Amino acid sequence: AQSVTQLGSHVSVSEGALVLLRCNYSSSVPPYLFWYVQYPNQGLQLLLKYTTGATLVKGINGFEAEFKKSETSFHLTKPSAHMSDAAEYFCAVSARDSNDYKLSFGAGTTVTVRA
Amino acid sequence: DTGVSQDPRHKITKRGQNVTFRCDPISEHNRLYWYRQTLGQGPEFLTYFQNEAQLEKSRLLSDRFSAERPKGSFSTLEIQRTEQGDSAMYLCASSLEQYTEAFFGQGTRLTVV
Repeated sequence: AQSVTQLGSHVSVSEGALVLLRCNYSSSVPPYLFWYVQYPNQGLQLLLKYTTGATLVKGINGFEAEFKKSETSFHLTKPSAHMSDAAEYFCAVSARDSNDYKLSFGAGTTVTVRA
Repeated sequence: DTGVSQDPRHKITKRGQNVTFRCDPISEHNRLYWYRQTLGQGPEFLTYFQNEAQLEKSRLLSDRFSAERPKGSFSTLEIQRTEQGDSAMYLCASSLEQYTEAFFGQGTRLTVV
């Protein structure tokens, strides 16, 4: 079974400051890892994903994440926060050796950006 | 292609009534997933289809819930005898079989009063 834990349900950053959202995963098989963003009353939009290969993954809107197997982590970062980054962010995992790709999500982290 | 479409966007119903939601996946996506999201939580997996076959159902999906994908295209999720605990956002997602990436619709927000 797979699961993720997102550390911190709320993060507040100043505009222009570093955004760091933490995600740790648990998986009995090699994982696929994802970060999604959700704006109010909207569905989820994929920011980035790790499947295989390079452990530093770049996504949309200037976000990136690094897969660290030794730490079972997949933290999301953005060097400089923008007001439009205010949203809820979800880390998710699926099993690489499975054929169904259903996702297990964390509880989410709400990001607030201060002007 | 306009992405995954869900209808309705919002539904308010009285306890005990039946409701049905529809999901139209991205064309040619053969995998379709349903998730439920309650306030302050991440989405929880309910069920998924590969073409018209329902391959897995979560234990969250009680007997009051049923999902279909009759022709391997759109899908419906029906909840019978709704309860207040069914109030949530119901999300649909689709993907191509060989890819891990799932594309989500905007969801149907159900409120049971």
